Amino acid sequence: QVQLQESGPGLVKPSGTLSLTCAVSGDSISNTHWWSWVRQAPGKGLEWIGEIYQSGATNYNPSLTSRVTMSVDVSKNQFSLTLNSVTAADTAVYYCAREAAGYQLAIDSWGQGTLVTVSS
Amino acid sequence: EIVLTQSPGTLSLSPGERATLSCRASPSVTGNFLAWYQQKPGQAPRLLIYDSSRRIAGIPDRFSGSGSGTDFTLTISRLEPEDFAVYYCQQYVRSPRTFGQGTKLEI
Repeated sequence: QVQLQESGPGLVKPSGTLSLTCAVSGDSISNTHWWSWVRQAPGKGLEWIGEIYQSGATNYNPSLTSRVTMSVDVSKNQFSLTLNSVTAADTAVYYCAREAAGYQLAIDSWGQGTLVTVSS
Repeated sequence: EIVLTQSPGTLSLSPGERATLSCRASPSVTGNFLAWYQQKPGQAPRLLIYDSSRRIAGIPDRFSGSGSGTDFTLTISRLEPEDFAVYYCQQYVRSPRTFGQGTKLEI
């Protein structure tokens, strides 16, 4: 069974850079899935940030595309998220997830989520 | 971008009752590439239904999905205490893969 685990700083200063990594176990990141990031501000709904394929191909949410970069490291079986110029509005629980080829790219597996707070 | 609007925002029911949750899409979701997720406090969402009506293995058959195009429905036939949670719809036909704002199902 696939497991995803987010890691990274829980506190980022305003105007700084948020960097998170998702380690994947129980599945190869080279399989025919897409890998994504979803965030949830406190008390709010889910926001899809973007997705990445094993080849490095990406799709980003247009609302964040100017500040987001995703990358994949096949050798380490992990993928990463970078979000620049953060503000308090970027405070959220960040989930990494698998968009499963077997489910037409619906998200069938999620990490536990990591809270990132933007504050000085 | 496909906008998904869920209704109602909050649904108050009792165990044993039937719940009907709505998700409307604009523009339409071609191919019925729409999923439903359940989220409980402090937990990650869980996939219940994909392709509008296909139930994930292990999900009780009291959960069912239906609809096509612009109107989709999640039905819970007989509510159990563990079903009270927030439910989200999501389209994955097109990027960005948008979510609805959620329906809170409360006792």
